[in-house]
Amino acid sequence: GENVEQHPSTLSVQEGDSAVIKCTYSDSASNYFPWYKQELGKRPQLIIDIRSNVGEKKDQRIAVTLNKTAKHFSLHITETQPEDSAVYFCAASENFGNEKLTFGTGTRLTIIP
Amino acid sequence: DADVTQTPRNRITKTGKRIMLECSQTKGHDRMYWYRQDPGLGLRLIYYSFDVKDINKGEISDGYSVSRQAQAKFSLSLESAIPNQTALYFCATSFHSQETQYFGPGTRLLVL
Repeated sequence: GENVEQHPSTLSVQEGDSAVIKCTYSDSASNYFPWYKQELGKRPQLIIDIRSNVGEKKDQRIAVTLNKTAKHFSLHITETQPEDSAVYFCAASENFGNEKLTFGTGTRLTIIP
Repeated sequence: DADVTQTPRNRITKTGKRIMLECSQTKGHDRMYWYRQDPGLGLRLIYYSFDVKDINKGEISDGYSVSRQAQAKFSLSLESAIPNQTALYFCATSFHSQETQYFGPGTRLLVL
């Protein structure tokens, strides 16, 4: 089955700086890669996703990049703000129509004012 | 607003007891999932159901069972609870033509 590794487990950055979280996956059949954000005491919520036919996707201050050859994908947050503090999870799933997600172990991001 | 709800939100039980966690959704989604979250381990899939007649084991199904009573309801049971089942449990839903999963608020379970 799929195995997703996520690094780092914790990350602290100064407000306004950029943050990068990296994930690797093992199953070359995986073709959908979402990122979820979980604020303290809240449920995980999707913030951005990417499919294997795309190398990069942006949504305002958030971007995700995918390297299929190396089987890794990354979340980039620019101009970080205090409300970006949360736990972020990457995930991977197989073919469309079989949305069984395998999650990474999470990254706790802390934005230092 | 259409939502995913879970009951109870918190539960304390004793070793050996049978308990049920319930999930309901008003999103009209056909697919439902149960995950458990442990510190440092992320979200791990327990069971999932792509429609009312479809039930599948996930990564960590031992010690758990599920029931899909209707398209909108998916229950998780612990037949004989043990302390290492202490965790935060999330239900999630999705629509068959879209990959996004929507999570419920979670149930915090403590097994003594």
